[in-house]
Amino acid sequence: NAGVTQTPKFRILKIGQSMTLQCTQDMNHNYMYWYRQDPGMGLKLIYYSVGAGITDKGEVPNGYNVSRSTTEDFPLRLELAAPSQTSVYFCASKPGGNTGELFFGEGSRLTVL
Amino acid sequence: AQKITQTQPGMFVQEKEAVTLDCTYDTSDPSYGLFWYKQPSSGEMIFLIYQGSYDQQNATEGRYSLNFQKARKSANLVISASQLGDSAMYFCAMREGWETSGSRLTFGEGTQLTVNP
Repeated sequence: NAGVTQTPKFRILKIGQSMTLQCTQDMNHNYMYWYRQDPGMGLKLIYYSVGAGITDKGEVPNGYNVSRSTTEDFPLRLELAAPSQTSVYFCASKPGGNTGELFFGEGSRLTVL
Repeated sequence: AQKITQTQPGMFVQEKEAVTLDCTYDTSDPSYGLFWYKQPSSGEMIFLIYQGSYDQQNATEGRYSLNFQKARKSANLVISASQLGDSAMYFCAMREGWETSGSRLTFGEGTQLTVNP
């Protein structure tokens, strides 16, 4: 049972480079989320999606873009990477409805130098 | 204003003793849910327990229980009979409103729990 899979697990970027963090889930969940976690801090919501073709901004969306063309995939795009984007990124998903926990991927550690 | 406040950056407990991790929340929405997650040093997020705002009884899951005091807006996590493997960061989180809000979770800053042998 794969659950939520994120790739890559580690990446080092130079300032100004771009990259895409991949997230895929095999649980047929409608809702998907991207969070970032800075060292010693809690998780902050970047973007979320309630279904294919629908995305919306979270608390800290600047510098990021997302798309949701399928139920399974929710990639996060970083354009013009900055040191402030050094963080651990978590993708999560859940079924529709008002209850139920989020299922998290293992995280992707990104360093921008 | 912080929606989720965890006032204990670090906590220490002796093995086999109980420990309470504090969480207070702020919302004006009558419908909300409260969650606790564990993050061990390996980094993954592990769901522990959930409490809905309309639930009449405190949630329990094995050694974990949630002390839900609605009037005080607190949702403290109680871990009984602590084990060395309980050493981890613990996050309290809240979901406000109904499904149309995307069922987003807002997280606190976390409490680092250390269990001593």
